[in-house]
Amino acid sequence: AQTVTQSQPEMSVQEAETVTLSCTYDTSESDYYLFWYKQPPSRQMILVIRQEAYKQQNATENRFSVNFQKAAKSFSLKISDSQLGDAAMYFCAYNQGGKLIFGQGTELSVKP
Amino acid sequence: EPEVTQTPSHQVTQMGQEVILRCVPISNHLYFYWYRQILGQKVEFLVSFYNNEISEKSEIFDDQFSVERPDGSNFTLKIRSTKLEDSAMYFCASKMRGSSGANVLTFGAGSRLTVL
Repeated sequence: AQTVTQSQPEMSVQEAETVTLSCTYDTSESDYYLFWYKQPPSRQMILVIRQEAYKQQNATENRFSVNFQKAAKSFSLKISDSQLGDAAMYFCAYNQGGKLIFGQGTELSVKP
Repeated sequence: EPEVTQTPSHQVTQMGQEVILRCVPISNHLYFYWYRQILGQKVEFLVSFYNNEISEKSEIFDDQFSVERPDGSNFTLKIRSTKLEDSAMYFCASKMRGSSGANVLTFGAGSRLTVL
């Protein structure tokens, strides 16, 4: 069964600095999708970024980018120029047959 | 932008009572999901629904749970006899097509269930 692991329960970053959240996963598939979701205190699940495993180029969405290492099964999220509004729980997720398998989450705090 | 709507936002119930959580998925979406998040834990898949039937369910989704799409727009999750451990945030989600991750899952804002 596919698993998703986020080894950092909590991370902290200074406003305007860069932070990287780690995620590893386990799969025997060759083509799949990976996602990062943000969950602010409102607990809404908001898609941040997604990556198709078939594409070698790392996905980028404004200040958010990923470092996708397929061989290592690693999918980290980099947040540049961190803002106070980035403070949230971040979940890494793997798409398995239409449903998402989530990691345990990393709680990011942003210090002014 | 189209959104998934969930009601109620918060429900408090007594143990043993029946609860129905309602969701209105995005209108042209065909695949529907329920997820659960116990406070402080990760989001867990409960059930997926397509073409008016369950396509997959997790171990969590036991006989106390049921889903239906009664009128072509609403998608409901029923918990027949709630237990304390059912206290959680329940998320509805929908997508246009099924197994490919190319089609992004859109989540509702969640329904918080508290069982006393």
